[in-house]
Amino acid sequence: GAGVSQSPRYKVAKRGQDVALRCDPISGHVSLFWYQQALGQGPEFLTYFQNEAQLDKSGLPSDRFFAERPEGSVSTLKIQRTQQEDSAVYLCASSLFLEGNYGYTFGSGTRLTVV
Amino acid sequence: GNSVTQMEGPVTLSEEAFLTINCTYTATGYPSLFWYVQYPGEGLQLLLKATKADDKGSNKGFEATYRKETTSFHLEKGSVQVSDSAVYFCALSLTGRRALTFGSGTRLQVQP
Repeated sequence: GAGVSQSPRYKVAKRGQDVALRCDPISGHVSLFWYQQALGQGPEFLTYFQNEAQLDKSGLPSDRFFAERPEGSVSTLKIQRTQQEDSAVYLCASSLFLEGNYGYTFGSGTRLTVV
Repeated sequence: GNSVTQMEGPVTLSEEAFLTINCTYTATGYPSLFWYVQYPGEGLQLLLKATKADDKGSNKGFEATYRKETTSFHLEKGSVQVSDSAVYFCALSLTGRRALTFGSGTRLQVQP
């Protein structure tokens, strides 16, 4: 596609509910990132994929967060037993390159609200 | 650790005014530096970048120079327009670690 597509755009979840957020990167992009952006803050790194391999998951805040990219294209971020502190915008970004010096293309994000 | 500090907003300017948004960083290695912009309702977009000391990144009239001696990467524009109203994020990445470290963002409001 022309850009990075994320769905749903908005998600309201009851506390304790599981959610799944989808990211469709630009076709052929090797690198894929997930970031969490709290209200009024900059994005914070969650996890990184190179093709289907999850090479860095150091930013995942707890074991309730899980990400996958099984075929090296579409990625899903899953949050189990959501808590209010999980409310944030979740951003996906992709890059054709392995190194970060060239910048990334970001999606518009999924705004998750946990009530 | 690595961190990026930006001036707090919002920054409110009149059209055609000069813009400076300050950004300083702390890094354990030799970072690449970026400015990203987020227009209302849209995703983050790369505005400009610099990968080594004294490099100047520029795009759409915006400029920023990588100053290693002051660990800074201030964003400037000589004459802002209403269409420049957005949130601006300074960020860094380190060679070998592909993730970006962002500042907290600075909201710019340009009034006609």
